[in-house]
Amino acid sequence: EAQVTQNPRYLITVTGKKLTVTCSQNMNHEYMSWYRQDPGLGLRQIYYSMNVEVTDKGDVPEGYKVSRKEKRNFPLILESPSPNQTSLYFCASGYYEQYFGPGTRLTVT
Amino acid sequence: AQSVTQPDIHITVSEGASLELRCNYSYGATPYLFWYVQSPGQGLQLLLKYFSGDTLVQGIKGFEAEFKRSQSSFNLRKPSVHWSDAAEYFCAVGPRETGANNLFFGTGTRLTVIP
Repeated sequence: EAQVTQNPRYLITVTGKKLTVTCSQNMNHEYMSWYRQDPGLGLRQIYYSMNVEVTDKGDVPEGYKVSRKEKRNFPLILESPSPNQTSLYFCASGYYEQYFGPGTRLTVT
Repeated sequence: AQSVTQPDIHITVSEGASLELRCNYSYGATPYLFWYVQSPGQGLQLLLKYFSGDTLVQGIKGFEAEFKRSQSSFNLRKPSVHWSDAAEYFCAVGPRETGANNLFFGTGTRLTVIP
């Protein structure tokens, strides 16, 4: 079954404590991306990756890092989370047709 | 700059009634067009997409959408709504020169279905 998985699904953390949200896909897609979803703002792209070791900024990259060392994995890293990064995060895979993960709800206190 | 407008934040329809969700975009050329649905607590699922050709596209779950170039619109329709259609719906556009790798999403329309 074509799938994008994210972990954790829910995370509560404190300001400044580094965290990583993992994303994995089993469709052999070259293209992957991260979005955040906030009420009234829809989804906004954070970073995307066209292939292994190829990443680029989306619309709201500040405060985030990504890496793409394997085709199937695309983790999102928050080196020093802040309360304004409290959001619902989605990983997506695919180029012309994107498949979304189930989401990670992050709360930074 | 690209933008996607979904003018209706919240729509309530009765089960069995018809549905139309509006989407307008602003872009220099015809982009790729998508509709996604998000059920509570779930990720986004692609309902349908328009790349080229027939301007009336069929999707999953009985949905269809019509691309109207002159109006820069891509409205989503369903002839008879089911209670399970209650969800949030997002219109998205992807610039042709970059494919769908930089989707711009509307702010969504929440659909409530009443018995």
